[in-house]
Amino acid sequence: RKEVEQDPGPFNVPEGATVAFNCTYSNSASQSFFWYRQDCRKEPKLLMSVYSSGNEDGRFTAQLNRASQYISLLIRDSKLSDSATYLCVVPNSGYSTLTFGKGTMLLVSP
Amino acid sequence: EAGVTQSPTHLIKTRGQQATLRCSPISGHTSVYWYQQALGLGLQFLLWYDEGEERNRGNFPPRFSGRQFPNYSSELNVNALELEDSALYLCASGAPLPQDYNEQFFGPGTRLTVL
Repeated sequence: RKEVEQDPGPFNVPEGATVAFNCTYSNSASQSFFWYRQDCRKEPKLLMSVYSSGNEDGRFTAQLNRASQYISLLIRDSKLSDSATYLCVVPNSGYSTLTFGKGTMLLVSP
Repeated sequence: EAGVTQSPTHLIKTRGQQATLRCSPISGHTSVYWYQQALGLGLQFLLWYDEGEERNRGNFPPRFSGRQFPNYSSELNVNALELEDSALYLCASGAPLPQDYNEQFFGPGTRLTVL
């Protein structure tokens, strides 16, 4: 299994749709996880942190399944402004460095 | 509060030259991380500096090097530039160690083009 693997994109959805991204990781010792958002030709920005089984912030819900080494990000009621690449991020042991997935591109259309 | 800053925004070099990229972390942060994001690839970890010391290094050749200054700003040097070094170079800063969760805050990046 690759260190961090994400759904290939792009995901094309209409406004108002619900969309889910999946991510699997290989380091079973990882305790916390992150979802970053990266707009085209911009820097990544932290979207959500996941420390336990899940986290919810408005329209965004992140879930963690440690047994399956699987993280998901659910976006409800998609907005045009949600169009971006979503990066799944897993800290290495000791939190010394982060491993980034290649990202999943989301395109929300009117 | 000022975020992470990087300079220059764009840099154009020719093969064989050297490039120097600079980064200033968020005030109070002691860690600086460097990443390379080439077209079509994910972020690849390059280097991690904390308190002036190199703490970890990614799978890159020795011609990628750097340093961290007493004010925690950092420089990334790339020697003997190759065409495939063309990429967006991102710097991120992190809070002083030890820390429970390694959140990193990114700068806007330097886009290096090697001709």
